[in-house]
Amino acid sequence: GAVVSQHPSRVICKSGTSVKIECRSLDFQATTMFWYRQFPKQSLMLMATSNEGSKATYEQGVEKDKFLINHASLTLSTLTVTSAHPEDSSFYICSARVLAGDQETQYFGPGTRLLVL
Amino acid sequence: AQKVTQAQTEISVVEKEDVTLDCVYETRDTTYYLFWYKQPPSGELVFLIRRNSFDEQNEISGRYSWNFQKSTSSFNFTITASQVVDSAVYFCALRPDGSSNTGKLIFGQGTTLQVKP
Repeated sequence: GAVVSQHPSRVICKSGTSVKIECRSLDFQATTMFWYRQFPKQSLMLMATSNEGSKATYEQGVEKDKFLINHASLTLSTLTVTSAHPEDSSFYICSARVLAGDQETQYFGPGTRLLVL
Repeated sequence: AQKVTQAQTEISVVEKEDVTLDCVYETRDTTYYLFWYKQPPSGELVFLIRRNSFDEQNEISGRYSWNFQKSTSSFNFTITASQVVDSAVYFCALRPDGSSNTGKLIFGQGTTLQVKP
C-alpha cells in the first residue's frame, strides 16, 4: 500500500509554544489529506480535511486559528498547533486519500505524540 | 444518521483461538465503502481491507476473513488461529457516498483484541 510519513513522531513542548507536524505522502500524490486526533483508548476524531491549494475544511468544534493547516504541495500537509496548552496533548494522525478508478482508500501516517508541559 | 458501532470494547483470547470482531453500520446512502484498520501499540493505523457496498462477496486473506451482510448492515472480521502479534485495536470505518467529494471516514469506537500466549 501507499506510504505516509509523519514528522516528528514525538514532541514535548512548553505551554504557549507552537508545534508544527508534517505529513508526507512518500510514493504518491495526495490532493486530499486528513488530520485526526486520538485520545488514549478512544477512537479517531477527524479534525479537518486538508485540500491541496485551498483552505482546509474544519470539523465542528475545531478551532481553525488554533490548528493551522497548510497543504502547499501534493505530497505535504502541515498541522501547526499554535500556543499549545496541556489540553492539546494528544496523538495526532494524518491520512492521505488515494483514488484509483472508483476505488478509494485512506492510508495513515504513524502518528505524532504531542505532550505539552 | 451515519454511524459505526463496534459493540465489543475488549476481547481476550488465547493463541490459536478464532475470534470475530463485530461491526454494524448505519447509512442511508446506497453507495458506500467499508474499511477495517489495525492499530498496533506503535500507533500507526494499518489498512486491512476495503469493501464497496455493491460487492457483497466475502473475502479471505490468509488468517483474516470478512463477512459483509447488507441485510443486517454488518461487516464482521474474523481472525482464524489467532496469534500474539494480532493483539491490537481494530477499527471499522464507513465512507458514505455523501462525502464522496471529501472522502471523510466515520470510525467505530474500536475493539481492543488481546491474544494471550
